[in-house]
Amino acid sequence: DIQMTQSPSTLSASEGDRVTITCRASQSITNWLAWYQQKPGKAPKLLIYKASTLESGVPSRFSGSGSGTEFTLTISSLQPDDLATYYCQHYNRYPVTFGQGTKLEIK
Amino acid sequence: QVQLVESGGGVVQPGRSLRLSCVASGLVFSNSIMHWVRQAPGKGLEWLAVMSHDGSITINEDSNKGRFTISRDNSENTFYLQINSLRAEDTAVYYCAKESSSSGWAGVFDPWGQGTLVSVSS
Repeated sequence: DIQMTQSPSTLSASEGDRVTITCRASQSITNWLAWYQQKPGKAPKLLIYKASTLESGVPSRFSGSGSGTEFTLTISSLQPDDLATYYCQHYNRYPVTFGQGTKLEIK
Repeated sequence: QVQLVESGGGVVQPGRSLRLSCVASGLVFSNSIMHWVRQAPGKGLEWLAVMSHDGSITINEDSNKGRFTISRDNSENTFYLQINSLRAEDTAVYYCAKESSSSGWAGVFDPWGQGTLVSVSS
């Protein structure tokens, strides 16, 4: 199975900050990568797929980049509503697997 | 608006079986590829299984093959997960999710249900 590793595990930032989360795959997944946001007590929500395509309705302050084995999720200007845990997930082949999550805290 | 509503969770003794349901609305369910994903308390996400729109193709995560069985009833817009021989480590919130319309058969989940909690305890 392909292993997904996110860093950092926890991130504390202030409103308006630029935030970057990194996701690494144990082998190349070309650009078959999705990002999800999970707010406390809620189900995950799709933010980005195909590494950089923003899902409809997702604010433009979210962006994704990368290919191969290294990917990033960037929030250009952090908002209080962005308090959540973020997960990357490959879908290169089954079984699809997730990173362990990055918990984003607002200072 | 697509809505997925899971049910069937609860407290179950080890070794028993449980069937979870996911009722879908706001979509053409018979055209929808469906998944189950779970999340242990305080832990990350684990994909479990996928079923094609007509039920003809299923793929299970290897470690749960034999204990986890998925099925669907397109006439009832319902997707099921049967879990046999429940273990303490099966304690989790179980989510059903639709395959994203942007991704085909790939394994991108959008949307998700609200989840149903299964607690395995004696």
